[in-house]
Amino acid sequence: SQKIEQNSEALNIQEGKTATLTCNYTNYSPAYLQWYRQDPGRGPVFLLLIRENEKEKRKERLKVTFDTTLKQSLFHITASQPADSATYLCALEGHSGYSTLTFGKGTMLLVSP
Amino acid sequence: DADVTQTPRNRITKTGKRIMLECSQTKGHDRMYWYRQDPGLGLRLIYYSFDVKDINKGEISDGYSVSRQAQAKFSLSLESAIPNQTALYFCATSDAGTSKFETQYFGPGTRLLVL
Repeated sequence: SQKIEQNSEALNIQEGKTATLTCNYTNYSPAYLQWYRQDPGRGPVFLLLIRENEKEKRKERLKVTFDTTLKQSLFHITASQPADSATYLCALEGHSGYSTLTFGKGTMLLVSP
Repeated sequence: DADVTQTPRNRITKTGKRIMLECSQTKGHDRMYWYRQDPGLGLRLIYYSFDVKDINKGEISDGYSVSRQAQAKFSLSLESAIPNQTALYFCATSDAGTSKFETQYFGPGTRLLVL
């Protein structure tokens, strides 16, 4: 069955450093991979989408890579700030126009001043 | 005003009661979803609807039912609530039918406690 793995342990980093979060998947060939941010008690918010034929995508301080051979996506936040502290979810979408998203459980990022 | 709204935001109920959670959206999206989120288990899909006449079961539909009253409204019912349905419930929408991408927009959530 499809499986998405994100590090369940919180990632603690210092302000100004680059945060790198990992999303690994098995038994899946996604057409797209998405990253969402979720703050405590709130709904997830879409951040970035990357297609299967794209290696890298950037948006301001965010960068996502997608390696379909390794079945892995890396999510980077450069020059991290305490306001970046949240849980980050990856989500996979299949090729069918009738696909739904499958979400990972998320990794909590804590950026200390 | 928020694009995706959920009512109520918090609800406490007793075992065996029937309750309804409501979701409304002003985004004009055809697709709507209901998820529940539990600590350590992530988001799990309960039901989804690709248009007004379409209803599909998700990963964990047992004990739940839905109604798509209009493009903008999608309700989730717990026919006879039980304590393990205590969770945070999210409604979401997407315009994947036109945009191709299944980017989802979430409501603020309903925190449900079943005693």
